[in-house]
Amino acid sequence: AAGVIQSPRHLIKEKRETATLKCYPIPRHDTVYWYQQGPGQDPQFLISFYEKMQSDKGSIPDRFSAQQFSDYHSELNMSSLELGDSALYFCASSSGRHTEAFFGQGTRLTVV
Amino acid sequence: GIQVEQSPPDLILQEGANSTLRCNFSDSVNNLQWFHQNPWGQLINLFYIPSGTKQNGRLSATTVATERYSLLYISSSQTTDSGVYFCAVERHGGATNKLIFGTGTLLAVQP
Repeated sequence: AAGVIQSPRHLIKEKRETATLKCYPIPRHDTVYWYQQGPGQDPQFLISFYEKMQSDKGSIPDRFSAQQFSDYHSELNMSSLELGDSALYFCASSSGRHTEAFFGQGTRLTVV
Repeated sequence: GIQVEQSPPDLILQEGANSTLRCNFSDSVNNLQWFHQNPWGQLINLFYIPSGTKQNGRLSATTVATERYSLLYISSSQTTDSGVYFCAVERHGGATNKLIFGTGTLLAVQP
């Protein structure tokens, strides 16, 4: 069965650079979530989209932005990267609201 | 926002032992899921269980929504069960898509 695809899997950036993470949801899923997980921490909700519109916003820094495109894929744009942005970034997708969410394998971002 | 607490925070078991993990949440929920995060960081779906009881092999889960808790049972544990177990919930009501994770239970199964 098709799963949530995230790219790239690994990314190394220098401080103050920008990064773009991509997420391709499971086919026919219209909801996308983004999470950030620091070492030894639980995943923190960043932002979600439902039917290409922003649905909820969590602890997402102003330096980050995201959108969901017409084909339902989503991108998380991160600017002015800081060392503290080093983390595992997950994308998840679901069909509609309050249904089971499935997670991608994550993008491991390292800022040096 | 909704609070999600898991217990115990850490658990060490011998292979073959049984365990119960608990998830308490502070508000009514529409969605509750249990995940296993393996040592490679992958989040694996175990159960989607906003209420009731489900079983899948050696694992089972029960959510008592009226009392705001869920339990994950692991029987005859194996070393491959090691990792972090998270519950995650979505608060009831409103047009929201916000799955909030608990603090997790770190499980180590020793041979």
